[in-house]
Amino acid sequence: EAEVAQSPRYKITEKSQAVAFWCDPISGHATLYWYRQILGQGPELLVQFQDESVVDDSQLPKDRFSAERLKGVDSTLKIQPAELGDSAMYLCASSRSGGGSFDIQYFGAGTRLSVL
Amino acid sequence: AQSVTQLGSHVSVSEGALVLLRCNYSSSVPPYLFWYVQYPNQGLQLLLKYTTGATLVKGINGFEAEFKKSETSFHLTKPSAHMSDAAEYFCAVSDLYEGKLIFGQGTTLQVKP
Repeated sequence: EAEVAQSPRYKITEKSQAVAFWCDPISGHATLYWYRQILGQGPELLVQFQDESVVDDSQLPKDRFSAERLKGVDSTLKIQPAELGDSAMYLCASSRSGGGSFDIQYFGAGTRLSVL
Repeated sequence: AQSVTQLGSHVSVSEGALVLLRCNYSSSVPPYLFWYVQYPNQGLQLLLKYTTGATLVKGINGFEAEFKKSETSFHLTKPSAHMSDAAEYFCAVSDLYEGKLIFGQGTTLQVKP
């Protein structure tokens, strides 16, 4: 069964350092999502891609966070500089379609970030 | 704007007892509703979904949920809890045009032997 791949699984970094997370969606999935899940809370959307284009980044802290999906396949989420409050699980999800229709989202195992 | 409220951040049941996890939603358009389960340090796995049609939906692992428009609810149930059901459960809402999911705060299910 195809899965959404994320790496690394765990990341420990110091405040003010740069970190990057990688996501490879299920093959053929056009839509890719990055969610942030703070401990004890539900996931919140950071950014949504339709192919290589950003559809929604309204909740992305753009002063320190950036995301790209250059060829419309895999994606990278970057934080620079990291702050203590960025400690969370970062989840990637993908769905087959998007842009006016709805399809089930499949989630990766996530990257757990700890900022010291 | 859409929102989800999960009543009870922690639910404890005995093995073999009924599981009931509560979810209420707010949406200005016909909602699509979901329940996801998350085991420790893992991603989210879809348990079941409601989009249109039959209001009682069955999912994996013996779970089911009923969409009640008049009560704006989508409660999750399972007749008999197993130890393996212990996990975090999230209710989420979306709609036909929104791609993103709006999640509730989650409910931790504890199953006691």
